[in-house]
Amino acid sequence: QQQVKQSPQSLIVQKGGISIINCAYENTAFDYFPWYQQFPGKGPALLIAIRPDVSEKKEGRFTISFNKSAKQFSLHIMDSQPGDSATYFCAASPSVTQGGSEKLVFGKGTKLTVNP
Amino acid sequence: GAGVSQSPRYKVAKRGQDVALRCDPISGHVSLFWYQQALGQGPEFLTYFQNEAQLDKSGLPSDRFFAERPEGSVSTLKIQRTQQEDSAVYLCASSLESGISYEQYFGPGTRLTVT
Repeated sequence: QQQVKQSPQSLIVQKGGISIINCAYENTAFDYFPWYQQFPGKGPALLIAIRPDVSEKKEGRFTISFNKSAKQFSLHIMDSQPGDSATYFCAASPSVTQGGSEKLVFGKGTKLTVNP
Repeated sequence: GAGVSQSPRYKVAKRGQDVALRCDPISGHVSLFWYQQALGQGPEFLTYFQNEAQLDKSGLPSDRFFAERPEGSVSTLKIQRTQQEDSAVYLCASSLESGISYEQYFGPGTRLTVT
């Protein structure tokens, strides 16, 4: 059972364009939703994260949009650059207060290619 | 260094051998996690420590997998009698506090290849 579903599997965007990656989750106990960026041969690096009490969070060119009722969240990369070419993972973590162990449940990843 | 470090970075083992993978978390980080990442997939949770206590090992795939963090700092993931399906990247992550900050910082991983 895949608890976090991510789409698309791959994405090609022109330089300067907007990259949009979507995730959906089932478990209503999730209350922390980070996005990670991973380059080949490297570990995942935390990009930006959101909690359900807000609908949007922006950090630089990266924005998370969160829809609690639909159990969906997305990553928007504005003014995409060739250096953004990487694999992006959404993740979710259950609330510790509901017995969760803070473990992250990851989506399967989106390979983003930004063409110059 | 300020980040999570892992060693070795690459490990080749013959089927049936035992391996030990080391993780040095960020200094002062209470929580430590191990994840397994198969090729082309997202990381999957293996086990979680809060200081030296192993609070969740629900993701360990079999009793051949064992993890420890005896002094609440460095952790070792041991795999006994390795099988080909154990080939993956093993990632370690640490988090400053338990129950307060969920920001997990990952190391570069150890790529294990079982031949």
